[in-house]
Amino acid sequence: DTAVSQTPKYLVTQMGNDKSIKCEQNLGHDTMYWYKQDSKKFLKIMFSYNNKELIINETVPNRFSPKSPDKAHLNLHINSLELGDSAVYFCASGATFGPGTRLTVT
Amino acid sequence: DQQVKQNSPSLSVQEGRISILNCDYTNSMFDYFLWYKKYPAEGPTFLISISSIKDKNEDGRFTVFLNKSAKHLSLHIVPSQPGDSAVYFCAAPFNTDKLIFGTGTRLQVFP
Repeated sequence: DTAVSQTPKYLVTQMGNDKSIKCEQNLGHDTMYWYKQDSKKFLKIMFSYNNKELIINETVPNRFSPKSPDKAHLNLHINSLELGDSAVYFCASGATFGPGTRLTVT
Repeated sequence: DQQVKQNSPSLSVQEGRISILNCDYTNSMFDYFLWYKKYPAEGPTFLISISSIKDKNEDGRFTVFLNKSAKHLSLHIVPSQPGDSAVYFCAAPFNTDKLIFGTGTRLQVFP
């Protein structure tokens, strides 16, 4: 039974489009996170959500917005996608990571 | 500012030998550290952790050592196996809100 799941695993889209990545956890954790692994393979925090409240927001463009419909879900919406958004995005619940979503913007 | 550093981007070790992966940190407020293992096209998986009240934590073939005065920790894998080949990240929680990751070390274990 997967603890943290993400969909889709791969996402290829054109510049300017709006896309979403879904994340679900069944661990019962209060806090979920989104991380970005860039081309240099560096993992960096983007957002964390605690009880449906955004508690941190690093220097991420406002084109990125996390949405949490309930405690088990934290979805990532990205508007007006740019080439530089191409990366692997990981959702995490506590210290447990999802499998990642490889986003490619063409 | 890179608060968690892994200065060796890669390490190659023969099967059966010891692998030692190093990590340095700058923030003396860090009191808990984690090691993650990451295979290609998969998410990082938790491997082992250590609290700052300890200087060693062992779990099977994996041992983490913490030297608080030097702000240094290391992960020892003995004996190394080909299946250990992966990227290893050290990480530290910051403000209870997020994990700060090092840049990773790619370990390759060859026969």
